Amino acid sequence: KAGVTQTPRYLIKTRGQQVTLSCSPISGHRSVSWYQQTPGQGLQFLFEYFSETQRNKGNFPGRFSGRQFSNSRSEMNVSTLELGDSALYLCASTGQGSDTEAFFGQGTRLTVV
Amino acid sequence: SQQGEEDPQALSIQEGENATMNCSYKTSINNLQWYRQNSGRGLVHLILIRSNEREKHSGRLRVTLDTSKKSSSLLITASRAADTASYFCATGGYSTLTFGKGTMLLVSP
Repeated sequence: KAGVTQTPRYLIKTRGQQVTLSCSPISGHRSVSWYQQTPGQGLQFLFEYFSETQRNKGNFPGRFSGRQFSNSRSEMNVSTLELGDSALYLCASTGQGSDTEAFFGQGTRLTVV
Repeated sequence: SQQGEEDPQALSIQEGENATMNCSYKTSINNLQWYRQNSGRGLVHLILIRSNEREKHSGRLRVTLDTSKKSSSLLITASRAADTASYFCATGGYSTLTFGKGTMLLVSP
């Protein structure tokens, strides 16, 4: 079955703009998580959505938001972009049951100039 | 915040040699996972070890877990050039992972 799909793969935005990233999870997976990866801070958890509800949230400012649709596809939005938001944004989907692993997409590389 | 700290930060070996990476974590865990990332791409799940397990094998991978020392190690035997990647340990829930900073492994032919 198809893996996790993230679009777009690359984005260049200007400071102050806003951006929306998309993630389509593996079919049947209802949990979608987002992570930010930067050279300085490493991989950091942003938030998790399950059945259209935000279930967990990391320590990021309110400029970072997300949502999940009824088909489990998820979007994350970053408003008022800052240079420090330049990062690889990774989405992961997880199934249900014990010992379920997270399946990651290839990421969206965001560059803020 | 980072839960795990991998050691070493970078490791360079020749094909055929073994590679050992270590991970330390701070809080009690239910399980610990290892992931691989090739050159800024997505992460691939390698192996999960539960807190009541001490050792687990998967192909050329061997993972150990010492909960008393809050540490884990990943051993890759008979390394190949294709093993060149960054390796991360992760703790937490399956959908809310906390990652270490990773070990960059370079395997030269």
